[in-house]
Amino acid sequence: GQQLNQSPQSMFIQEGEDVSMNCTSSSIFNTWLWYKQDPGEGPVLLIALYKAGELTSNGRLTAQFGITRKDSFLNISASIPSDVGIYFCAGPPSYNTDKLIFGTGTRLQVFP
Amino acid sequence: GAGVSQSPSNKVTEKGKDVELRCDPISGHTALYWYRQRLGQGLEFLIYFQGNSAPDKSGLPSDRFSAERTGESVSTLTIQRTQQEDSAVYLCASSLAQRGLGTDTQYFGPGTRLTVL
Repeated sequence: GQQLNQSPQSMFIQEGEDVSMNCTSSSIFNTWLWYKQDPGEGPVLLIALYKAGELTSNGRLTAQFGITRKDSFLNISASIPSDVGIYFCAGPPSYNTDKLIFGTGTRLQVFP
Repeated sequence: GAGVSQSPSNKVTEKGKDVELRCDPISGHTALYWYRQRLGQGLEFLIYFQGNSAPDKSGLPSDRFSAERTGESVSTLTIQRTQQEDSAVYLCASSLAQRGLGTDTQYFGPGTRLTVL
């Protein structure tokens, strides 16, 4: 089945640093979503991407929909302690479905 | 409340017992989803409801798993004869299902942490 692989698996950075993470798929996705999950809570949608090549920002977060439709990138600038959590990419595996396939996650730890 | 709520928040059960997990979606959301998250892993899709019907049950791991939804609102996920491998966080999400397939924002509840001893 379709899989979404995220890298890196985990990151330990200092407050103020920029962060980059990516998500790759073995098959084409037509929508890319980035979620953040805090401990003990459900994921919260950060950014949604709908077109190949699209670059979308949400505050300090910027995400890009790869041209090949098989990858996506999330950047966080000037990280702060509350950025700590697990970041998941996700997408519907085909046009005619509402279910989401989730990536393996990138765990971010920010040190002051 | 305004968000998706799930109960119980934690459930510890013995192997072989049945469990019921409940999800209250956001009012007015027609679509409801169940996912499973094993420790340290991403979310796995289980089942999706549009109204009270389930057009996609493809993620249910075995016939021990079932779900229903009534009144286009509350949903219950039932796991019969629980096994240790069923231990996970079970997350529910809901969406308006207005914008079209695959593009509606799914709002997640906090999950139910199930531990099977």
